[in-house]
Amino acid sequence: DQQVKQNSPSLSVQEGRISILNCDYTNSMFDYFLWYKKYPAEGPTFLISISSIKDKNEDGRFTVFLNKSAKHLSLHIVPSQPGDSAVYFCAPSSGYALNFGKGTSLLVTP
Amino acid sequence: DTGVSQNPRHKITKRGQNVTFRCDPISEHNRLYWYRQTLGQGPEFLTYFQNEAQLEKSRLLSDRFSAERPKGSFSTLEIQRTEQGDSAMYLCASATGTSAYEQYFGPGTRLTVT
Repeated sequence: DQQVKQNSPSLSVQEGRISILNCDYTNSMFDYFLWYKKYPAEGPTFLISISSIKDKNEDGRFTVFLNKSAKHLSLHIVPSQPGDSAVYFCAPSSGYALNFGKGTSLLVTP
Repeated sequence: DTGVSQNPRHKITKRGQNVTFRCDPISEHNRLYWYRQTLGQGPEFLTYFQNEAQLEKSRLLSDRFSAERPKGSFSTLEIQRTEQGDSAMYLCASATGTSAYEQYFGPGTRLTVT
């Protein structure tokens, strides 16, 4: 069974606009939530994270929101830039292992 | 900081052969992880080392798979009697003890079993 779902396989956004990537999870034991970005032929790169005791974490253009009651988190990128085009993975954890979703491929068009 | 390195980057092998991959983590990181990623999926956890001790193994890690981290530095992942279903990207990641959740990934080894 899939514990982490990213229901949008792809997303296209115009440069300068907001990108919103969503992630749903089922395991209530997850206590730390990470987002990774992946370019082709490279390993995933850590982007931003949030602890389960918080509902928002911001780092520059990137903000992650966590709604524990809904078991939902989202990543907001504003303003979006063409260099943000990549696959984004939601990866919650309850200890040592990261549990990746299938990813959302973001395309930011000029 | 040279990052996590993995060798080889690509490996093509025939079914039934054995293969071994190497991972060199970031030098001060005592935690090391192996993941496997197949097409259209996110990475899936295989196994975890803290220093030289292998502390966790996923059910995905069949008896044909073995991982070692002999001196708590580099790690190797061996697959014996490869099968076509083993074709995947094998990713290694490392982390410090103080920020274990934030794992830093290498570029991966792409295995193709023909």
